[in-house]
Amino acid sequence: DGGITQSPKYLFRKEGQNVTLSCEQNLNHDAMYWYRQDPGQGLRLIYYSQIVNDFQKGDIAEGYSVSREKKESFPLTVTSAQKNPTAFYLCASCPGLAGGSSYNEQFFGPGTRLTVL
Amino acid sequence: EDQVTQSPEALRLQEGESSSLNCSYTVSGLRGLFWYRQDPGKGPEFLFTLYSAGEEKEKERLKATLTKKESFLHITAPKPEDSATYLCAVQASGTYKYIFGTGTRLKVLA
Repeated sequence: DGGITQSPKYLFRKEGQNVTLSCEQNLNHDAMYWYRQDPGQGLRLIYYSQIVNDFQKGDIAEGYSVSREKKESFPLTVTSAQKNPTAFYLCASCPGLAGGSSYNEQFFGPGTRLTVL
Repeated sequence: EDQVTQSPEALRLQEGESSSLNCSYTVSGLRGLFWYRQDPGKGPEFLFTLYSAGEEKEKERLKATLTKKESFLHITAPKPEDSATYLCAVQASGTYKYIFGTGTRLKVLA
């Protein structure tokens, strides 16, 4: 089955810790995205990557870091510099320019809920 | 500034009572408008993409339409299993970023 997986489903972080959220896709999509979702707010873009070894900051990148060393993987690290990290984190992918007419249709993973203790 | 506004915030319907959800957008050139369904604690599920004014797409009890300023998601004879949050997003020309609205929480009562 093709799809996007995120792990873990639930994650607890102590103050001052860095944590890494995993996102893997086997859809052969070029583009991958990380969003944060808070109650009453729309999805907010953290980082995105259109191609391997390249990524751009989104609207709320401060306190987060990413890497894109493989097409299938786009891990997100929440650093201790992120002052309010408790949220639901969503990873998404879309085909990119090689995807024909559906090149920009995003598909989402199941999410990771991060809680700061 | 590119912006997406969804209304109403919440909607309660009786089973079989048809209605529409609204997504108003301001964007400097529309590359695409997207509708998603999100169940509590889960990732959004892709429903539709609309690219140009006048376009319509249907899937079961859902029909999405697009004008130059807004999109509607029409729900015909809804069932309790249609209860979810419906999200709208736009992608502007010249960018790979997506802008999401805050969603409409739909509750369909049996």
